[in-house]
Amino acid sequence: DADVTQTPRNRITKTGKRIMLECSQTKGHDRMYWYRQDPGLGLQLIYYSFDVKDINKGEISDGYSVSRQAQAKFSLSLESAIPNQTALYFCATSDPRGGGEDTQYFGPGTRLTVL
Amino acid sequence: GQSLEQPSEVTAVEGAIVQINCTYQTSGFYGLSWYQQHDGGAPTFLSYNGLDGLEETGRFSSFLSRSDSYGYLLLQELQMKDSASYFCAVDNYGQNFVFGPGTRLSVLP
Repeated sequence: DADVTQTPRNRITKTGKRIMLECSQTKGHDRMYWYRQDPGLGLQLIYYSFDVKDINKGEISDGYSVSRQAQAKFSLSLESAIPNQTALYFCATSDPRGGGEDTQYFGPGTRLTVL
Repeated sequence: GQSLEQPSEVTAVEGAIVQINCTYQTSGFYGLSWYQQHDGGAPTFLSYNGLDGLEETGRFSSFLSRSDSYGYLLLQELQMKDSASYFCAVDNYGQNFVFGPGTRLSVLP
């Protein structure tokens, strides 16, 4: 079984609809992240969480919200979807080690299309 | 602000060696990571440099120079399966990561 799972894998919705993307992990990591990737571009950080009570905005948080329901679950919501939120969304977890090295483990991604 | 620069595309032939450069300007820095992403797939971790110098992992090596705000990924004995996008990412004081725009590597037969 995959360590980091995302649901749904694909979603088509209409402008103005509320959408929730879910992420679950079995790695036991405290840190979880949501990224957005547009075609041909890098990953932009939307939100990140170091534990259930610690939520932080990333570089492009406007129009998005998150919920950390448990250590293993981190959801991303689009309150009122708009077409320029059409993108590939990745969830990731990490577990920084004492020496500073921090590896991110990514889920398979959710392809979201807003019409 | 924080920014990373990488070449957008690199092309090489099977068996060759290719170097993908990354320069960065960030307010916080713990280290530089490299990730590989095949079309339609998720990024996967390749290497991390927390200190200056060369880190070697099989056919892949990564280098960091903190004084130059520069790093590179070196891929040796290229194989067709190495065709993918490669991203450098700065570890921002252990808080989060800032990713570069990615370099698309095409390996030709």
